Amino acid sequence: GDSVTQMEGPVTLSEEAFLTINCTYTATGYPSLFWYVQYPGEGLQLLLKATKADDKGSNKGFEATYRKETTSFHLEKGSVQVSDSAVYFCALFYSGGYQKVTFGTGTKLQVIP
Amino acid sequence: EAQVTQNPRYLITVTGKKLTVTCSQNMNHEYMSWYRQDPGLGLRQIYYSMNVEVTDKGDVPEGYKVSRKEKRNFPLILESPSPNQTSLYFCASSLKPNTEAFFGQGTRLTVV
Repeated sequence: GDSVTQMEGPVTLSEEAFLTINCTYTATGYPSLFWYVQYPGEGLQLLLKATKADDKGSNKGFEATYRKETTSFHLEKGSVQVSDSAVYFCALFYSGGYQKVTFGTGTKLQVIP
Repeated sequence: EAQVTQNPRYLITVTGKKLTVTCSQNMNHEYMSWYRQDPGLGLRQIYYSMNVEVTDKGDVPEGYKVSRKEKRNFPLILESPSPNQTSLYFCASSLKPNTEAFFGQGTRLTVV
């Protein structure tokens, strides 16, 4: 079945450091890929998405490129801020199978001043 | 304001006592889902609904029921809760399953 694998956290970075959170997926066909962010005590919010190979999603300085050849959708940001501290979830939706969304386990990011 | 509203936010109950967690959205979305979030397991989909009267099982449906009698509401029912259903639950809605999902604030359920 469809699955999403994220790097284990927590990830601790200093402010202005470069961020990469790895995400790889397994799916038959061509899924849509998402990154969601969860701030403490809140529900998830969409951060960015990509719907086909080589698409780049971007928002709030975060970027991720849909790489079909490596089945990856790694999240990057050039300079993190303390306000980026949150849990980040990679997710996929594949319309050819069941109409459901599959999430990764989440990666907690802590940015220290 | 576009939102997904879950109630209650916190609930402590005893094993076997039926409970319902309500979910309502005001965006006229077709697709709604319930998830549970557990440490180390991320979000797992319990049930989803493509539209009124159309529901289907997600990855972990055992012990749960849902209904979709109206487009805006998607309640989650635990007929006989057990301690292993202690978790943080989220309701979400989207126009279609491959579009942005809007999440509720979550319901923290403890079954003792």
